[in-house]
Amino acid sequence: DQQVKQNSPSLSVQEGRISILNCDYTNSMFDYFLWYKKYPAEGPTFLISISSIKDKNEDGRFTVFLNKSAKHLSLHIVPSQPGDSAVYFCAASSNTGKLIFGQGTTLQVKP
Amino acid sequence: GAVVSQHPSRVICKSGTSVKIECRSLDFQATTMFWYRQFPKQSLMLMATSNEGSKATYEQGVEKDKFLINHASLTLSTLTVTSAHPEDSSFYICSASLQRAEDTQYFGPGTRLTVL
Repeated sequence: DQQVKQNSPSLSVQEGRISILNCDYTNSMFDYFLWYKKYPAEGPTFLISISSIKDKNEDGRFTVFLNKSAKHLSLHIVPSQPGDSAVYFCAASSNTGKLIFGQGTTLQVKP
Repeated sequence: GAVVSQHPSRVICKSGTSVKIECRSLDFQATTMFWYRQFPKQSLMLMATSNEGSKATYEQGVEKDKFLINHASLTLSTLTVTSAHPEDSSFYICSASLQRAEDTQYFGPGTRLTVL
């Protein structure tokens, strides 16, 4: 029972263009959502988060959008840079604090 | 920022042996630590949640007698994989929260376990 899904295993984008990574969830009890970036053989690093009371949060080149009615969130990276190439995980949590991760999307930004 | 370390970063062991992985919060006290495992090209799966001074809470399907977790201090949690088998080969990652379980989790760099 995959409560958090990232249906695109990979994404390739040209440098300077926008990268859009998508995530869907099924549990309506989730009230906090996060995006993590992960390089091979390293732990995830926190990128950006959004509370369910908001529909958008922006931090520099990264913006997360939340559509609660559709149970969908997305991460926008603009402009994309080669250093952004990594695996991106979305995660969701409820008041228990446990994080439920999606399967990840591998982003490749081509120079 | 909050830094979490793990040791060892890689370990290769024979089937049937036990392996201990340490997770340390270097510059903060972590009331709650989490242990995850990740199989290649799959999601991080939460194994257990540990609170300092109390027994860990294991997720469904995780054998508590096989994956022993000890959270003896506010800066150290250990995961011991007992009687390891090849199917236990995985990437094990810990994370730590500052005070409450719902606080932001800071992740360690992970430990790659290979059981021969």
